[in-house]
Amino acid sequence: KNEVEQSPQNLTAQEGEFITINCSYSVGISALHWLQQHPGGGIVSLFMLSSGKKKHGRLIATINIQEKHSSLHITASHPRDSAVYICAPIHLGGGGSQGNLIFGKGTKLSVKP
Amino acid sequence: KAGVTQTPRYLIKTRGQQVTLSCSPISGHRSVSWYQQTPGQGLQFLFEYFSETQRNKGNFPGRFSGRQFSNSRSEMNVSTLELGDSALYLCASSAGDSIWEKLFFGSGTQLSVL
Repeated sequence: KNEVEQSPQNLTAQEGEFITINCSYSVGISALHWLQQHPGGGIVSLFMLSSGKKKHGRLIATINIQEKHSSLHITASHPRDSAVYICAPIHLGGGGSQGNLIFGKGTKLSVKP
Repeated sequence: KAGVTQTPRYLIKTRGQQVTLSCSPISGHRSVSWYQQTPGQGLQFLFEYFSETQRNKGNFPGRFSGRQFSNSRSEMNVSTLELGDSALYLCASSAGDSIWEKLFFGSGTQLSVL
């Protein structure tokens, strides 16, 4: 079983829809990143959070460390949001003094106009 | 401010050779981390350097090594290349002392091993 599970793996939405991507993990973590990867490979860090909720524009990320779960929400989705979204928890005791980054397999989002 | 720069962008090598990839972080960033991305395994963490010291290391064989220079530029070396080393290699830099502040990624080096 993977340490990090994301759902869904693929998601197709119509422009304007509210989107939720979920991330569950089985190891102890200190915080978690949400990353966005566009076709062509470029990765952008969207959020790093260790508790509660963060909001940036139409993006909202939430985390419950105790329940080992995080969600990424996109309000009023747009075709330019089409990308792969990757959950990346910071695994405590993962071999380094401050933990190591582990990754979900990603959720491929396609937003149709 | 210039972003994270990785060179070369593409590289083709044959089995058994070695390769060195370069990463120049954003000016002022002292942490540089490296990642391997393949279609099968997805993203995996290789190692992280801060002020010329390796602070954290992922679960990769010793053929994968790296270093960081006093100007924070970093290099990653893979010796005795195997077909399975074909991947996109990404580096990221961050500004804070903590390893996992906001990460800024380069465009990556696409390595093909024939």
